[in-house]
Amino acid sequence: TQLLEQSPQFLSIQEGENLTVYCNSSSVFSSLQWYRQEPGEGPVLLVTVVTGGEVKKLKRLTFQFGDARKDSSLHITAAQPGDTGLYLCAGAAGGATNKLIFGTGTLLAVQP
Amino acid sequence: GEEVAQTPKHLVRGEGQKAKLYCAPIKGHSYVFWYQQVLKNEFKFLISFQNENVFDETGMPKERFSAKCLPNSPCSLEIQATKLEDSAVYFCASSYTEAFFGQGTRLTVV
Repeated sequence: TQLLEQSPQFLSIQEGENLTVYCNSSSVFSSLQWYRQEPGEGPVLLVTVVTGGEVKKLKRLTFQFGDARKDSSLHITAAQPGDTGLYLCAGAAGGATNKLIFGTGTLLAVQP
Repeated sequence: GEEVAQTPKHLVRGEGQKAKLYCAPIKGHSYVFWYQQVLKNEFKFLISFQNENVFDETGMPKERFSAKCLPNSPCSLEIQATKLEDSAVYFCASSYTEAFFGQGTRLTVV
């Protein structure tokens, strides 16, 4: 069974602080997506990483895919209250045809 | 459409009643997925379709759950004889290369 463990599970920080969320598995994924979900809404896709070692930046968010394509990290610089939400990593064994295996989630609260 | 549209947003059913959820995928996306999000934010895969054909149903409970994606109609997920443990948010996603999710249907079984 493929599992994706995220850490930390909960994170409460002050505006302006930096943070890193980790997503780890013993399985290899062909691609990994990061989503953010707000209460009462569906997950919104932030980024997809497909190549081992790949780094992608989205404004203050930096995503990295591990060399072995088993793990990933999300780093947020100078967090803002608008970053508050549930962050989910999700791995796919194949392409668009395959189901996503979701991580356990990281609930982030950024206090003003 | 440009977004995955799920209806209804909320659904309340008495135990034993039927529940039917609908999903209109993004135009041009040939893959549709259903997921169930339960307590502690856990996402469970239920079933996927390639156009109107079932692609992967390994997550579907064998009893009471069924799903369809018929041409020119929204996809649907139906639960016969709902149980308390079916209470969850059900998400539909459609995909061409990446999966985009709808806003979900919150099913409450009382």
